[in-house]
This record gives sequence, structure tokens and C-alpha cells, in this order.
Amino acid sequence: TQLLEQSPQFLSIQEGENLTVYCNSSSVFSSLQWYRQEPGEGPVLLVTVVTGGEVKKLKRLTFQFGDARKDSSLHITAAQPGDTGLYLCAGAPNAGNMLTFGGGTRLMVKP
Amino acid sequence: DTGVSQDPRHKITKRGQNVTFRCDPISEHNRLYWYRQTLGQGPEFLTYFQNEAQLEKSRLLSDRFSAERPKGSFSTLEIQRTEQGDSAMYLCASSFGGGASPLHFGNGTRLTVT
Repeated sequence: TQLLEQSPQFLSIQEGENLTVYCNSSSVFSSLQWYRQEPGEGPVLLVTVVTGGEVKKLKRLTFQFGDARKDSSLHITAAQPGDTGLYLCAGAPNAGNMLTFGGGTRLMVKP
Repeated sequence: DTGVSQDPRHKITKRGQNVTFRCDPISEHNRLYWYRQTLGQGPEFLTYFQNEAQLEKSRLLSDRFSAERPKGSFSTLEIQRTEQGDSAMYLCASSFGGGASPLHFGNGTRLTVT
């Protein structure tokens, strides 16, 4: 079983602050995805990274896939209350396999 | 395309009863997944289908759980003799292909076993 560990589990910050969420594994993934989930809803895809060292930007969110494809990070610049939610990383060990999710990071951004 | 829909949204049942949930995926998606999520945790994989074939089941899935996708379209998840530990959000997702293909999730069925 592929194990993805996310840190921190909880994060409470003030509006305008920066933050980084980490997703780590001892296993290699062919691809890794980040999702955001709000209460009472299903997760929604933010980004997919497939190449070691890849960096993708989505407005104030920056995603990085580790060179060895074992870890990833999500950096949010100038967080806003609308960023509040559960951030989930999910990896596929091989193309065609199902995704395994990390335990999530619950982010709260206070106005 | 209205996305992935799940029914019911909420289900309260007494311990020992059977429950069945339904998932309607995005029509052109060939893969359908069931996940279970407890409060504040990430989704835990249960099983998935490619078209009508059930390709993988989690070892965590007890014999009380069964899933079907009879015509490769909608799917049902049945839990027999429910236990309090079955209380969770049951999420369905669909995709076109696996691996890096994004999952489109429904809003889940929240099961409470009393």
C-alpha cells in the first residue's frame, strides 16, 4: 500500500499570510494530484503533476513535484478566507492505477 | 453534463439494517470509484470499476460490503448488517482512464448508524 503523509494536519493563519503544505511518501508515484474539499462536498481537483521537479502555478497557489517523484508541496501566497478547506494530495503508483489519498491538511484562514 | 450525482445525500439507519447507495457517474467516464471518508481524514479507497468489471477491492472492505455496476453506467454500494463503525461519508468518483486522470467526485452519501 502506498502511504502518503501530509503535514501539517491543521493550520490556522491570518488573512495575508503565506503557508506551505507538504505531501511525503517513501514510494515513487507516476503522478500526483492536489484536491480541495469544502464541508459537505466532494473533493475538487486543483492540479496534476507528472514530471519530477515540475512546478505549476494556479493564481496564488504553487505546486511542486519532487525530483524523485516521492513528495510534493503546495504553497499559498497571501492566503484569503476563501482558501479555507481540506487540502488533499493523492498519488498513483503507476499509470492506470487508482489514486491513494493522504490524510489531508485542514486550513483555516481568518479574516 | 451535470457531474457525478449520489443518492441519498444522507442516510440514518439502525445497527443491523442493510443500506444501499447509488452513484451516477459522468456519462462518458469508463471508471467509477467508491471511497469512504471519516471526519477530517482523507478518502479511503474501497473499490473501482472499469466499465462493468470490478477491477480492485480494498482489503479493508469486509464481506458485508458489495458493489455493482451492472451495465457500466450507474453503480450501487450495499452494506449489509450495518455497524456503528460504518458511519462515514461514502464518496463516488468517476474518471476517463486511470493514473493521472482527474477524479470527478460526487458530494457523497453521509451514513449514520445508530
